[in-house]
Amino acid sequence: GIQVEQSPPDLILQEGANSTLRCNFSDSVNNLQWFHQNPWGQLINLFYIPSGTKQNGRLSATTVATERYSLLYISSSQTTDSGVYFCAVVDNYGQNFVFGPGTRLSVLP
Amino acid sequence: DSGVTQTPKHLITATGQRVTLRCSPRSGDLSVYWYQQSLDQGLQFLIQYYNGEERAKGNILERFSAQQFPDLHSELNLSSLELGDSALYFCASSVRTSARNEQFFGPGTRLTVL
Repeated sequence: GIQVEQSPPDLILQEGANSTLRCNFSDSVNNLQWFHQNPWGQLINLFYIPSGTKQNGRLSATTVATERYSLLYISSSQTTDSGVYFCAVVDNYGQNFVFGPGTRLSVLP
Repeated sequence: DSGVTQTPKHLITATGQRVTLRCSPRSGDLSVYWYQQSLDQGLQFLIQYYNGEERAKGNILERFSAQQFPDLHSELNLSSLELGDSALYFCASSVRTSARNEQFFGPGTRLTVL
């Protein structure tokens, strides 16, 4: 099945810094979503982005499907951005998400 | 708020017991998915239902079963519980069954088996 890798595994930032999180996948995808899991465990949809670029406030994402990667940009980070960021994909043969291992982000005040 | 609701939020039970987790999808969504998040296995797909019919199965144990009712809510039944079943269980929904549809996740049910 499809393999999903995320980097870096851990990231510590000072409030106000920018960061880039990466998701690599091993096969073509029909669906790619980015999620933020907050410290209370809730999974929050950030982007539905099987291809192209989207922006939502301080967050933006780009997926280059032909090169099998996606990037999540966080600008002017805030302490509330802390948590784990997951990339999840559905390959061309599947119906369900395969999740990456996540990037754990800690934003310090 | 994704519009997907899950009850209960927390559940504490003993080994060997049976529990039922409930999920109501977003209004208009016909597909429901169940996922398990455990410390050692990460987030894994369990099972998908579409308009009452099972559509896809993942790493779901034989001790677990699910169904989707005519009003589209879904229940995940976990029986003969073991310590290793302790995890966060998420339900997600999407409009249709296509893998291209965006999935929206509920707040999860945290199950603790003692």
